[in-house]
Amino acid sequence: RKEVEQDPGPFNVPEGATVAFNCTYSNSASQSFFWYRQDCRKEPKLLMSVYSSGNEDGRFTAQLNRASQYISLLIRDSKLSDSATYLCVVSQAASGGSYIPTFGRGTSLIVHP
Amino acid sequence: IAGITQAPTSQILAAGRRMTLRCTQDMRHNAMYWYRQDLGLGLRLIHYSNTAGTTGKGEVPDGYSVSRANTDDFPLTLASAVPSQTSVYFCASSDSMGTDTQYFGPGTRLTVL
Repeated sequence: RKEVEQDPGPFNVPEGATVAFNCTYSNSASQSFFWYRQDCRKEPKLLMSVYSSGNEDGRFTAQLNRASQYISLLIRDSKLSDSATYLCVVSQAASGGSYIPTFGRGTSLIVHP
Repeated sequence: IAGITQAPTSQILAAGRRMTLRCTQDMRHNAMYWYRQDLGLGLRLIHYSNTAGTTGKGEVPDGYSVSRANTDDFPLTLASAVPSQTSVYFCASSDSMGTDTQYFGPGTRLTVL
């Protein structure tokens, strides 16, 4: 079982829809959480960090549920340009005090007119 | 240079050949990473470096080696390439290991025949 799991989708939604993705992680000692966006054949780019109190950036809201060990990403009022793969990243403590980032396999979003 | 660069952009390589993928960042980040991305498997960490002079093994280190002689450069070497190493390779850097935003290079598409 992979340490960080995502539903691969694709999520196929119309413009203006609200869509939510979840990402579950297995290590309860995980410390840092992120959502990245990756466009086809491009490098991943940070969408937003996920804080314990939750955070919002325009149409995007990220939340962390430590008790159930998942993070979520909510996209409101979807745009065509939101079509991409969304990757969650969870960092876990490793030996020597480092934190090792682990990527989920990504969730594909397709927004259609 | 602005950000993080990788070279070559793409390469076709005969099995058994030695190959070094180059990665350079100008952000003075302490941590650097090498990932491979394969269809359906997402991004998997090959090796990482917490700071210049130190390296560590990620999830899939076999067949790869790295060095971190200085802050800016983090080359990845395939000593004797095999077809299963055909992949897209991304280099990334961050200020702190695992807890800060990772900035990715544009990737190297490697085909081993």
